[in-house]
Formats: sequence, C-alpha cells, structure tokens
Amino acid sequence: GENVEQHPSTLSVQEGDSAVIKCTYSDSASNYFPWYKQELGKRPQLIIDIRSNVGEKKDQRIAVTLNKTAKHFSLHITETQPEDSAVYFCAASMGNSGYALNFGKGTSLLVTP
Amino acid sequence: NAGVTQTPKFQVLKTGQSMTLQCAQDMNHEYMSWYRQDPGMGLRLIHYSVGAGITDQGEVPNGYNVSRSTTEDFPLRLLSAAPSQTSVYFCASRPPDRSLSHSPLHFGNGTRLTVT
Repeated sequence: GENVEQHPSTLSVQEGDSAVIKCTYSDSASNYFPWYKQELGKRPQLIIDIRSNVGEKKDQRIAVTLNKTAKHFSLHITETQPEDSAVYFCAASMGNSGYALNFGKGTSLLVTP
Repeated sequence: NAGVTQTPKFQVLKTGQSMTLQCAQDMNHEYMSWYRQDPGMGLRLIHYSVGAGITDQGEVPNGYNVSRSTTEDFPLRLLSAAPSQTSVYFCASRPPDRSLSHSPLHFGNGTRLTVT
C-alpha cells in the first residue's frame, strides 16, 4: 500500500551474511507491524511481528526493530541460509484498530551458497 | 481445522464475464479480508469485514463486490471482469485481538485469475 514503503526491492547476500530490510509508514496511529515471508507460488506466512509499545523483538535468527518516532521498522536476518531466499513483506496496521494491514511492495531476498 | 480455504485455485475468464471467488474459514474468525497481489505491487486490500453483516472498502475496491452473510464465508464477486483484474487473490482472516496480544492474519492459498 502507498502508506508503507519498503527497501530494498531486491537483496542478494552470501550464505552466513546478515540481511536487513527497512520499512517506513505514514499512519501515526499504526500500532502493529508484522513481517511475512512468501516463497514462490505459496501464500504469505507470518515470521515475526511487533507492537508499537515494544522497540525490539527477536526470534532465533530474525529480529525486528521499531522506531515509532521516526515511523520506521526493520527486519534483520542473521546467519542467512539458502532456505531464507523468498520475498519478504512488511506491513503496518491501518490505524489502531488493527483489523486491516497496509503492505509494503516486498523485498526479494536471494541467499547464495 | 482446515484454516482458510479458497476456491478455485485457478480461473480463466473472458472480458465481461462474472464470477465469484470463494473463501471459507472454520476458525470462527470475526475478521476476513481480500487482497490482490500483482508483481512489484505487494498485497493490496480490496475489501474487508469485521463480522457478519459488516463490510468495508479497502485500497482497491472498484470492480469488486463482497458480502458477509455468515461468519465462515466471505465471497468476492467480479461482476464484469476486466484484464486489469488479472492477479493472484488472497483471502485472509484473523480472530479479535486478545489483551496485550495481536492476533496474526491467516492467509488462504490464493486464486490465480487470468482475464483475457
């Protein structure tokens, strides 16, 4: 959606390196920020999410940081593996109701062995 | 639970034809939504519903109608298909938020629609 900008659109890293994807949002009422991974031909699947009252959240090799003042949040993947190759989407809730999400346009991540 | 079920998986229409994309969930989720996914455009919200009898427009509602007569079903109707509606359509649902916890969105497997 136009309210969420995501960069970069493509990212290529070598296996073992870290990958960072950044998103900005415009709706100051947004309070929920999930990240989805979509493999080719498959449906998007939630990998991690964060609420606006938390600055950072980590789950094994993935972490998300949120700067609510600057309205940006980032996905960090450490020790990347070839199976991390996919399209990643960030999203922000529409207002604080949380029902609907605005998605970024996606980042195609390629991890080369 | 079967989760979110979309039918059909693939569909080819001619310009001007009508059809309904089906979406059903068996998780008693209040919230259901339809997104379309186009290359380089991410996922764009078409319509959503926060409960039976309630629907609202998303970012790209033109050319699509929805209804929510039951909690389980949320069909998407194309009254007169156009080539610009060629896309992959995803239905998604989620339950209401619990205290201090945001419920995640569950996606169906998608319907790939081609309009010639």
